[in-house]
Amino acid sequence: QSALTQPASVSGSPGQSITISCTGTSSDVGGNNYVSWYQQRPGKAPKLIIYDVTSRPSGVSNRFSGSKSGNTASLTISGLQTEDEADYYCSSYTDNGTPFYVFGTGTRVTAL
Amino acid sequence: EVQLVQSGAEVKKPGESLKIACKASGYIFTTYWIGWVRQMPGKGLEWMGMIFPADSDTRYSPSFEGQVTISADMFINTAYLQWSSLEASDTAMYYCARRATFGTAGDFWGQGTLVTASS
Repeated sequence: QSALTQPASVSGSPGQSITISCTGTSSDVGGNNYVSWYQQRPGKAPKLIIYDVTSRPSGVSNRFSGSKSGNTASLTISGLQTEDEADYYCSSYTDNGTPFYVFGTGTRVTAL
Repeated sequence: EVQLVQSGAEVKKPGESLKIACKASGYIFTTYWIGWVRQMPGKGLEWMGMIFPADSDTRYSPSFEGQVTISADMFINTAYLQWSSLEASDTAMYYCARRATFGTAGDFWGQGTLVTASS
């Protein structure tokens, strides 16, 4: 099972909106509605920010939103803030006989 | 408050065995799957496998099947990840994570355990 494909880096000015893509296959991203997104700040554990494609856990800013079309999922950060600088990983449930989870390659977000 | 507290950093030699721990609190341990995720230095996240503590049902990623063993002790609310013979390539940060919803690898994560295997 290969990792999902994300751009290595995305940047934007504070206040702008940015979008991170996450491309998989019909066996993972395109085959269910179980895409999650995680934010990982340097030296810290990952934090869940989006699950089930579009849902936000309690306490997560509504500036984060998720969507999906076909085999590609997307995370949009609206009103980019310097505190959003981090690595972002997508993840999808997949079931090719043995159920498990596959992560994306990761995207470094920089607020210029 | 849900908490997953992992055991401390380990430095071992290749060929040695190791077992790291993840102690859960703030929720009913036996009702959620707990998984393990590897992050090699400067690299991305890799899902290794998960266990359901109530009955020790365990699922492994094909990439890690046979390489590690995941276990749990529901009487002390602790999950484990172990190696019988470490390799240098096992050097990484390892996170445990509680799976609260079916489609999510983890909603709450431990702080991570750094494992270094070096001669």
